[in-house]
Amino acid sequence: DSGVTQTPKHLITATGQRVTLRCSPRSGDLSVYWYQQSLDQGLQFLIQYYNGEERAKGNILERFSAQQFPDLHSELNLSSLELGDSALYFCASSQQGGKAEAFFGQGTRLTVV
Amino acid sequence: GQNIDQPTEMTATEGAIVQINCTYQTSGFNGLFWYQQHAGEAPTFLSYNVLDGLEEKGRFSSFLSRSKGYSYLLLKELQMKDSASYLCAVPLTGANNLFFGTGTRLTVIP
Repeated sequence: DSGVTQTPKHLITATGQRVTLRCSPRSGDLSVYWYQQSLDQGLQFLIQYYNGEERAKGNILERFSAQQFPDLHSELNLSSLELGDSALYFCASSQQGGKAEAFFGQGTRLTVV
Repeated sequence: GQNIDQPTEMTATEGAIVQINCTYQTSGFNGLFWYQQHAGEAPTFLSYNVLDGLEEKGRFSSFLSRSKGYSYLLLKELQMKDSASYLCAVPLTGANNLFFGTGTRLTVIP
């Protein structure tokens, strides 16, 4: 158990819908990262938050957004869903310090039908 | 930008040694990570190299050559549970957001 909690574990929804994925980082970790893993793309960095502020952005679509709350949990919002958004979405957390090991949650498997 | 190349698949025998190679190109080197990922599960940290040379951690060792843009992960005394994908990754910025290679799927056979 990495100490990073993601909910829900599985999500099935229809095209055009909007979903919210939730992540609770390890106790004491200020940084939260979101990654997308689809079968043909591998793990892709989406966005990073540090202590409530957006720190870095990767290949995140405009239909996707995220935020980190004062209690440090984070949510990833995916809207106008398309079939191609079906993937595993991982959250990871780490301590402050650029080279700190990242701990990954078990992921949310999103299926868009 | 970043680019990482790893073999897609490898097969090795239980009890043997296997070396998984990774070549990378990155603008500004901030170290190299190796993660293990079993199918459908979360990636777990194996190693981090920032200086040239070999770092050993139990059955797993990782090597880095910055001048050659090359790293490898060495797994000794292979066990069936080592069947997994092995991901090479480099930081995208000075922080810990990582650019991952597509991974090497290792199958350990009896």
